[in-house]
Amino acid sequence: AQSVTQLDSQVPVFEEAPVELRCNYSSSVSVYLFWYVQYPNQGLQLLLKYLSGSTLVKGINGFEAEFNKSQTSFHLRKPSVHISDTAEYFCAVIPPVGTGGGNKLTFGTGTQLKVEL
Amino acid sequence: ETGVTQSPTHLIKTRGQQVTLRCSSQSGHNTVSWYQQALGQGPQFIFQYYREEENGRGNFPPRFSGLQFPNYSSELNVNALELDDSALYLCASSYPGTPGDFGEGSWLTVV
Repeated sequence: AQSVTQLDSQVPVFEEAPVELRCNYSSSVSVYLFWYVQYPNQGLQLLLKYLSGSTLVKGINGFEAEFNKSQTSFHLRKPSVHISDTAEYFCAVIPPVGTGGGNKLTFGTGTQLKVEL
Repeated sequence: ETGVTQSPTHLIKTRGQQVTLRCSSQSGHNTVSWYQQALGQGPQFIFQYYREEENGRGNFPPRFSGLQFPNYSSELNVNALELDDSALYLCASSYPGTPGDFGEGSWLTVV
């Protein structure tokens, strides 16, 4: 089984400041890792994903995340946030097909990013 | 937009009633997964359908059931609605083992 912990339920930040949203996971098998964004009253939009290869992955809207296997972390970062980044962010994992870990996305509880002027 | 369409977008039901939510899959995708997102929570996996067969289920009671049709679209049915069933219901269409693309969701309120 997998679990995902998002350590911060809310992160307030001023516009143009950098931000890091933290995500740690636990799994008995290797996993693929994802970050999703959810704007108010909308569905989930994929920001970025790590499947294999380079541990630094870049996504849409200037976001990036770094996979750290030893720390089982996949923190999301953006060097300069904008008001429009205000949203809920979810970290999620899924085991690759055939690893016996199931076939579902397991989500964290989310981090509300609030960008202020 | 992802090409995954869910309907209805919003609905209100009374406790004890039944509800059917629908999801169209993206062209080429043969797998549909359903998730429940309660207010202030992350989405929770309900079940997945692959080629019209249930292919995994989360910790939800049997009154949550589903169907997948030959065109890979899907339905989620919930019987004997309870107040705690109030949530956003998300579907994702994909290939097996990938998370796929999410629809905008169906907001269900049970009163």
